[in-house]
Amino acid sequence: GNSVTQMEGPVTLSEEAFLTINCTYTATGYPSLFWYVQYPGEGLQLLLKATKADDKGSNKGFEATYRKETTSFHLEKGSVQVSDSAVYFCALKIRTGTASKLTFGTGTRLQVTL
Amino acid sequence: DAGVTQSPTHLIKTRGQQVTLRCSPKSGHDTVSWYQQALGQGPQFIFQYYEEEERQRGNFPDRFSGHQFPNYSSELNVNALLLGDSALYLCASSVQQGSRGYTFGSGTRLTVV
Repeated sequence: GNSVTQMEGPVTLSEEAFLTINCTYTATGYPSLFWYVQYPGEGLQLLLKATKADDKGSNKGFEATYRKETTSFHLEKGSVQVSDSAVYFCALKIRTGTASKLTFGTGTRLQVTL
Repeated sequence: DAGVTQSPTHLIKTRGQQVTLRCSPKSGHDTVSWYQQALGQGPQFIFQYYEEEERQRGNFPDRFSGHQFPNYSSELNVNALLLGDSALYLCASSVQQGSRGYTFGSGTRLTVV
């Protein structure tokens, strides 16, 4: 079956530090890959996505590259801010006929301190 | 432009009771998916509705059922509630024939006591 594995949290960084959150996946077929962010008490917001191998998704300084050879989609940011503190979810999507669904990792909590 | 609207935001139910959660999709979206997010976990897919039919279902018992209306809004019903049904229930809308992905609502926090 399809699955997503993320690095365990929490990840605690000082402001302006470099961020990497690892994500690997197992999938049958050719998934699209996503990073979602969840702030306290809120739903999920799409952070970035990539739909095919070697695509790089980017948004708000965050980047992730779809690596088919290593089945990975690691999230990176060069300089984190306190406002980036949230839970980050890696997810994959595979379409089956007329339907599709997202399969999520367990999430990685990021805490950024001054 | 309103995004995905879910109601209620919070509710508390007793074991054995039934509950109905509601979702209005983002304007222009025709597909609604429901997810269950237990505390500290990633969301788990419950089912997806398109053209008023359930198109795909995750690994959830028949106690979980849904409906989609002609205006694309949707309901999630859970019967015979268990303590383990306590979770954040998220609704996500999308366009069936599009590639822009999903828009999530803020969720309904269900507590079963």
